[in-house]
Parts: sequence; C-alpha cells; structure tokens
Amino acid sequence: GENVEQHPSTLSVQEGDSAVIKCTYSDSASNYFPWYKQELGKRPQLIIDIRSNVGEKKDQRIAVTLNKTAKHFSLHITETQPEDSAVYFCAASISGGSYIPTFGRGTSLIVHP
Amino acid sequence: GAVVSQHPSWVICKSGTSVKIECRSLDFQATTMFWYRQFPKQSLMLMATSNEGSKATYEQGVEKDKFLINHASLTLSTLTVTSAHPEDSSFYICSAPTGPSTDTQYFGPGTRLTVL
Repeated sequence: GENVEQHPSTLSVQEGDSAVIKCTYSDSASNYFPWYKQELGKRPQLIIDIRSNVGEKKDQRIAVTLNKTAKHFSLHITETQPEDSAVYFCAASISGGSYIPTFGRGTSLIVHP
Repeated sequence: GAVVSQHPSWVICKSGTSVKIECRSLDFQATTMFWYRQFPKQSLMLMATSNEGSKATYEQGVEKDKFLINHASLTLSTLTVTSAHPEDSSFYICSAPTGPSTDTQYFGPGTRLTVL
C-alpha cells in the first residue's frame, strides 16, 4: 500500500518568513496530492491540491510543487502570518472519490509574531 | 463548498456504554464515507470505509464488532462505539467525497469522545 512520509514534524518561523513542508510517497500509481490545514480541535480543510500532470500550483501565498520522478511534493507558504499556525497534512491518493487517501503524520507550524 | 456535519460534537459517557456518532452530507449524496480516529498531536488514522447499502470495510486492527458502522442512506453514516472504554477516548472524524469521480474529501467537524 501507499506510504507517505512528512517532514518536519514541527516547524517554527517568524512572521513574514517562508515555510516549507515536504512529503514523499511510495506508490507510483498515486496521482492526486492534497494538502489540508487543521486548526486545534477543528476539521481538516483543503487548502491546495495538485495532480500528477502538473509540476507546480500556486494560490496567493501558498504553492505546491510535485516531482513525480522522485516521488515527493512540497508545500510552500510565503510571508507567513500568525493565523497560518496550524497542523498541516499532506496526502496521496489515486484520483477518484472511492480511493482512500493516505495521510502524512502532520507538521505543526508555529508562526511567531 | 460541500458540507459534512457530525453529531454530537462532543460526548462524555461511562465505561461500558455505547455511543453513536452521526455523519451527514448536507448538500450532496455520498455513497462512500470514511471514518477516522485522531489522537492528540497525531495524524488521521483511517478506521473504516462506509459504503451505502453494503457492509463497511475495516482497516487492519480495527474491531468491527466494537466499532459498528451503518450507511443506511446516501446522506447518513453512523459509527457506534460499543461497550466503550477509556482507551476509546479520541477525536472521531468522518469525511466524504462529493462523488465517485471527485477527489476532494470534505471532513466533518469531528466528535470528541471521552469515556470515564
């Protein structure tokens, strides 16, 4: 089955700095890679996703890159703000709603004002 | 966007009792729903896949007789924790895709279960 590794487990940055979270996956059949943000005690919410036919996707301060050959993808947050503080999860799955996503272990991002 | 609700948001029960958690898709039909368990500061652990009109598929190590799942309609899946024990205390979250060909998972708000 799929195995997703996520690093680092904790990331502490100063407001305004950039933050990068990296994930690797094992199953070359995976072609859909979402990122979720979970604030304390709340539900995970999709913040950005990327498919295997694209190498990079950007949405304002958030970007995701994908290297299919190396089987890794990364989340980049620029100009971090205190409200970006949360746990971020990467996931990998095969496209199609019935396919179960495999989640990384999560990264706790702390943005210091 | 699509909305998934869960009820109750939190519950405290005595050891040995059963607790039912409901997961509803409010504005779409979900033939498949996923149930996760999350311990503090840990990732989402998939417990089972709930399939409308058929038996749930449980992940390895999850006791099907302890965690009963019923997906009786296209908008409702329930998870019943039977004979709950303190070690069952956790955050339970459901999710659902909006269709068989869609990728985005929409999560419920979660249910905090505390077993005394």
